[in-house]
Amino acid sequence: GQNIDQPTEMTATEGAIVQINCTYQTSGFNGLFWYQQHAGEAPTFLSYNVLDGLEEKGRFSSFLSRSKGYSYLLLKELQMKDSASYLCAVFMIKAAGNKLTFGGGTRVLVKP
Amino acid sequence: IAGITQAPTSQILAAGRRMTLRCTQDMRHNAMYWYRQDLGLGLRLIHYSNTAGTTGKGEVPDGYSVSRANTDDFPLTLASAVPSQTSVYFCASSDGTGAQGYTFGSGTRLTVV
Repeated sequence: GQNIDQPTEMTATEGAIVQINCTYQTSGFNGLFWYQQHAGEAPTFLSYNVLDGLEEKGRFSSFLSRSKGYSYLLLKELQMKDSASYLCAVFMIKAAGNKLTFGGGTRVLVKP
Repeated sequence: IAGITQAPTSQILAAGRRMTLRCTQDMRHNAMYWYRQDLGLGLRLIHYSNTAGTTGKGEVPDGYSVSRANTDDFPLTLASAVPSQTSVYFCASSDGTGAQGYTFGSGTRLTVV
């Protein structure tokens, strides 16, 4: 089976940094996505890591270590609008069809 | 239409009734997916379609069926709704390689009573 774990909830202060960890044990691996989802809305794409290392995109960075089955999403200079759920998802290319399997999501609450 | 459109936005349905959730995309994506999202369980794949004319079962397919008559449309049908199917349903599409990520619709909130 597929196992993707991330913390349920995190709280941080406006202007601070928060790191959301994701560990995975899956039957295959072709990449790891991070999505942001505000309450009552659709998930939106944040980042995609295929190779090991850090990918930086503005205030958001994502890291991947394939040998450790580990990724993290780093949110810097937190803003109130960053209060949302962050979803880690493993992408697998299979003969029967590509699959994107999600973790349970981490709800981040940013306080003033 | 821009991206993925789902209808209805929300619905209250009596148990035992049949219901079809609609999903249409205008990006000419080959692959389409249906997920359900429940508190604490994240997004779980119900059914998928790699290309028009083909469909496959995901992680939680029981009680649901899909069809893919053309590239743009991917309806999800609940033949006889049960309360455990109360959930938020998201349709998504991708270009097939997946490398550009999946694009999600705005979701359908379904309550079965």
